[in-house]
Amino acid sequence: GQQLNQSPQSMFIQEGEDVSMNCTSSSIFNTWLWYKQDPGEGPVLLIALYKAGELTSNGRLTAQFGITRKDSFLNISASIPSDVGIYFCAGQRDAGGTSYGKLTFGQGTILTVHP
Amino acid sequence: NAGVTQTPKFQVLKTGQSMTLQCAQDMNHEYMSWYRQDPGMGLRLIHYSVGAGITDQGEVPNGYNVSRSTTEDFPLRLLSAAPSQTSVYFCASSSPGLAGYEQFFGPGTRLTVL
Repeated sequence: GQQLNQSPQSMFIQEGEDVSMNCTSSSIFNTWLWYKQDPGEGPVLLIALYKAGELTSNGRLTAQFGITRKDSFLNISASIPSDVGIYFCAGQRDAGGTSYGKLTFGQGTILTVHP
Repeated sequence: NAGVTQTPKFQVLKTGQSMTLQCAQDMNHEYMSWYRQDPGMGLRLIHYSVGAGITDQGEVPNGYNVSRSTTEDFPLRLLSAAPSQTSVYFCASSSPGLAGYEQFFGPGTRLTVL
């Protein structure tokens, strides 16, 4: 069953505000990924994290891989209306072999940005 | 490149009907996966394939069959549709050569089973 707990489930913010969301797991993951899904589209990868403690930025987005390997967070700074969408965390447990297709997803955070 | 394509975009079935959701990718990716997305559940893995002729079950495989006869195509078959299979279905592809195990997703098929 579902192994990643993502919070919050939804956020309503004003344009210009910063946003923070996180994902926790009872199991260790070796890779953490953050995806964004626009309405009517498939998810698109935003940031990938490979090492415990790693902090990675992509424009206004910053994500961190928790030291325990059981959590990750995503920050969006100075939000804009096009940040609207659903954000998903995903974890991958094993490297190599036949595990490449297997991602475990969080439930998603629905972000609404008011102009 | 068209990337990952899925057909149909929308489908309505009656309980008990069968159908095949099509997925194709033109990026020569070895790995392909099928997910379903339900409200509040995120994406859950149905089946995946690491190459032509090789498939395996994901988290929620019951009621679905897959095959992978070519690198490009990975169809998902619903054997006898049930209302519980009403969902949005996403196909994704990836390659071991890609950093971050990035999966490229198709636009989805919205399925309703009455």
